[in-house]
Amino acid sequence: LVLTQSPLSLPVALGQSASISCRSSQSLVYSDGNTYLNWFQQRPGQSPRRLIYQVSNRDSGVPDRFSGSGSDTDFTLKISRVEAEDVGVYYCMQGTHWWTFGQGTKVEIK
Amino acid sequence: EVQLVETGGGLIQPGGSLRLSCAASGFTVGNNYLSWVRQAPGKGLEWVSVIYGGGSTYYADSVKGRFTISRDSSKNILYLQMDRLTVEDTAVYYCVRGGHSSGWFDYWGQGTLVTVSS
Repeated sequence: LVLTQSPLSLPVALGQSASISCRSSQSLVYSDGNTYLNWFQQRPGQSPRRLIYQVSNRDSGVPDRFSGSGSDTDFTLKISRVEAEDVGVYYCMQGTHWWTFGQGTKVEIK
Repeated sequence: EVQLVETGGGLIQPGGSLRLSCAASGFTVGNNYLSWVRQAPGKGLEWVSVIYGGGSTYYADSVKGRFTISRDSSKNILYLQMDRLTVEDTAVYYCVRGGHSSGWFDYWGQGTLVTVSS
């Protein structure tokens, strides 16, 4: 199973929105009916931090500027009103068929 | 508060062995899914191994037969025994908690760097 993210680099102006796509080579709907597609943020020099789990559920403490959507094989992470602290690499990850990560999308301030 | 603290990384020659430890607090390792995920320098994330709450273990093809995941519930520590190391194993190794019920990989440690080089 392959997760393909796009774009791989995303320059964004402060206060603008950003969207990252994650496409799976197979359906990510698990036998229990859930879709195990997560989004992680990795700021420079830090460990990854989970932002979104099961497509659209925000983790505790994650600003509501972050939202996840999608289904089956096509998913999107949207960052509204980008702030300087959002700079980093964003990864999608699937936990339906073992565990696989996307290549990562580097978000930087334009 | 959930915390994961990895130790044991370092410089090792190709063909050598190393054991990583992950000290957990705020939860019981014996009742949780725990994984190791690695990140080669400047690269993306790669799942390495998992141990289920019931004790089942699974490995990525790239490490199968060379790495062994285990846990000591009395000490609340997760381990990764790495044998026959190659330069391709050079990476930061993260200890990660989380299974189906939490949507996978909800807490990560700070990582420990393993460098395989002659």
